Amino acid sequence: EAGVAQSPRYKIIEKRQSVAFWCNPISGHATLYWYQQILGQGPKLLIQFQNNGVVDDSQLPKDRFSAERLKGVDSTLKIQPAKLEDSAVYLCASSFFNTGYYGYTFGSGTRLTVV
Amino acid sequence: DAKTTQPNSMESNEEEPVHLPCNHSTISGTDYIHWYRQLPSQGPEYVIHGLTSNVNNRMASLAIAEDRKSSTLILHRATLRDAAVYYCILCGSSNTGKLIFGQGTTLQVKP
Repeated sequence: EAGVAQSPRYKIIEKRQSVAFWCNPISGHATLYWYQQILGQGPKLLIQFQNNGVVDDSQLPKDRFSAERLKGVDSTLKIQPAKLEDSAVYLCASSFFNTGYYGYTFGSGTRLTVV
Repeated sequence: DAKTTQPNSMESNEEEPVHLPCNHSTISGTDYIHWYRQLPSQGPEYVIHGLTSNVNNRMASLAIAEDRKSSTLILHRATLRDAAVYYCILCGSSNTGKLIFGQGTTLQVKP
């Protein structure tokens, strides 16, 4: 089966500019997640969608980050305006649920450098 | 969210077995024990998961303590390609299925 697709693979922007990342999850996976991974740390969950509704966005810096999942499939994550500390890899993941078990698949991520 | 404790780093020699420990003393009854690994410049990839019984797949084995408060990921013959960060994560209906990552264990494999 096809994996989780993300684009772009790399992005370099200046601080205060805006940037958007795109994610296409595995077909049939109802739940989609965006993670932020700063160099040397484990991924940090930013937002969780169930179909096209937000389940948890408690860790999303809402003054500058926004995310949407149109029609319960593709998702975009936007940063506006970007700060230097936003430099990180942004990972998208999707999951299925079966009798108590959540099976995850991750994309390769988008590496963002803010200069 | 339930927490796990793992050593920061471990070393192994190529073609030898590796035992990666994980403590999770606050695990709830519905939490599955997940192991993911992350190779350099890639997203995390699934390794194995279990609930109560030991599990085997083509990549690894998972040994779960009888009280479920600890588990061990076993790589039977480490290769250089197994060098990665290994994450032990509890996930289940108690946290709406969220994977919450810690620091993981960085595994170095020496030729």
